[in-house]
Amino acid sequence: SQELEQSPQSLIVQEGKNLTINCTSSKTLYGLYWYKQKYGEGLIFLMMLQKGGEEKSHEKITAKLDEKKQQSSLHITASQPSHAGIYLCGAALNSGGYQKVTFGTGTKLQVIP
Amino acid sequence: DTAVSQTPKYLVTQMGNDKSIKCEQNLGHDTMYWYKQDSKKFLKIMFSYNNKELIINETVPNRFSPKSPDKAHLNLHINSLELGDSAVYFCASSQGYGLLGGGSSGNTIYFGEGSWLTVV
Repeated sequence: SQELEQSPQSLIVQEGKNLTINCTSSKTLYGLYWYKQKYGEGLIFLMMLQKGGEEKSHEKITAKLDEKKQQSSLHITASQPSHAGIYLCGAALNSGGYQKVTFGTGTKLQVIP
Repeated sequence: DTAVSQTPKYLVTQMGNDKSIKCEQNLGHDTMYWYKQDSKKFLKIMFSYNNKELIINETVPNRFSPKSPDKAHLNLHINSLELGDSAVYFCASSQGYGLLGGGSSGNTIYFGEGSWLTVV
């Protein structure tokens, strides 16, 4: 079983609509990363959350880490075609004292103009 | 200037061949990684190096041998390529390798653009 689950797996929204992507861990997280990937390109760092209850925003994207540090949500307000891509959450887990970042299965977002 | 660069971007090769993917970072980071992304877009860590020393090795077949000549470079050599090795390989780097804490953002991982490997 995956340590990190993302939902939904894919999402198609009309431009201007809001949307939320969820990321759930089976373990307590030391930190949670959100990345965006466009087809044929690398991963673009969006945000990193460390503290329970922490919330960060970048332009129209907001991410929050819950108090128990096992779940995070990414919210996009007034989506635009430029938001389309694959969103990946990465969990910072303990690997013998080192940070090991394990990624979720990804959420593919399409925004229809 | 590209922070984490990897070459080649595309590679098509036959089964049984040996190939290398090179990675360089100009961020001054101490830690570098190799990740593999399969056809289902599932991204998995393969190796992690800190200051040229291996710190994470995720049960990768020993046909895969990473080499770090200095802390700015982490190359991936693959022997006897198999069809199942076809994937996108991402190099990445971060300043540190320790567990996050205290509000530090120094361990954020920055990725290269990926190397598309196709084994035929």
